[in-house]
Amino acid sequence: RKEVEQDPGPFNVPEGATVAFNCTYSNSASQSFFWYRQDCRKEPKLLMSVYSSGNEDGRFTAQLNRASQYISLLIRDSKLSDSATYLCGTLSGNTPLVFGKGTRLSVIA
Amino acid sequence: DTGVSQNPRHKITKRGQNVTFRCDPISEHNRLYWYRQTLGQGPEFLTYFQNEAQLEKSRLLSDRFSAERPKGSFSTLEIQRTEQGDSAMYLCATETGGWNTGELFFGEGSRLTVL
Repeated sequence: RKEVEQDPGPFNVPEGATVAFNCTYSNSASQSFFWYRQDCRKEPKLLMSVYSSGNEDGRFTAQLNRASQYISLLIRDSKLSDSATYLCGTLSGNTPLVFGKGTRLSVIA
Repeated sequence: DTGVSQNPRHKITKRGQNVTFRCDPISEHNRLYWYRQTLGQGPEFLTYFQNEAQLEKSRLLSDRFSAERPKGSFSTLEIQRTEQGDSAMYLCATETGGWNTGELFFGEGSRLTVL
């Protein structure tokens, strides 16, 4: 079983829609969680860290469910510019960041 | 530009040749990582440095791969006797501070094609 699993998609949604992605992790010792955004043929960039209490940044909301070992990313009022691959990353102790395969989002006009 | 810089951006080589990639980190970022990414996959960890010390290597890093970070500044990743399976994007990332924050700054990557 992969340490971090994501539905690869693609998720094709119309502009203005709300879309949510989940990411499950198998290492119960994972302590920190992140969402990165990767545009086509570009490098990943940190979108947001995921805190235990959940956090919101504009149209983006991240949640952590430790009991079920998943994190989620909710995007409200989708824009064309949100089209990208969203990578989930987890940290455990001093081990380097482990990424999932990513979920591809296409926002359609 | 004060971001992470990687060179070359693209490399096409024949199987069996050696290639070397260079990463120049953001100034004063102590931790430097190498990841590999293939189409449809997330970045896979290869190795990382805390200053000049190489602290961890993935089992993905066969003995044909070697990485260095002399003087704790730029880093190089060398692949000897390249194989077609080495074709991938090689990403360098750096991180400020002396601990594992998970907040990585990636370079634009070096794309390797092995013919």
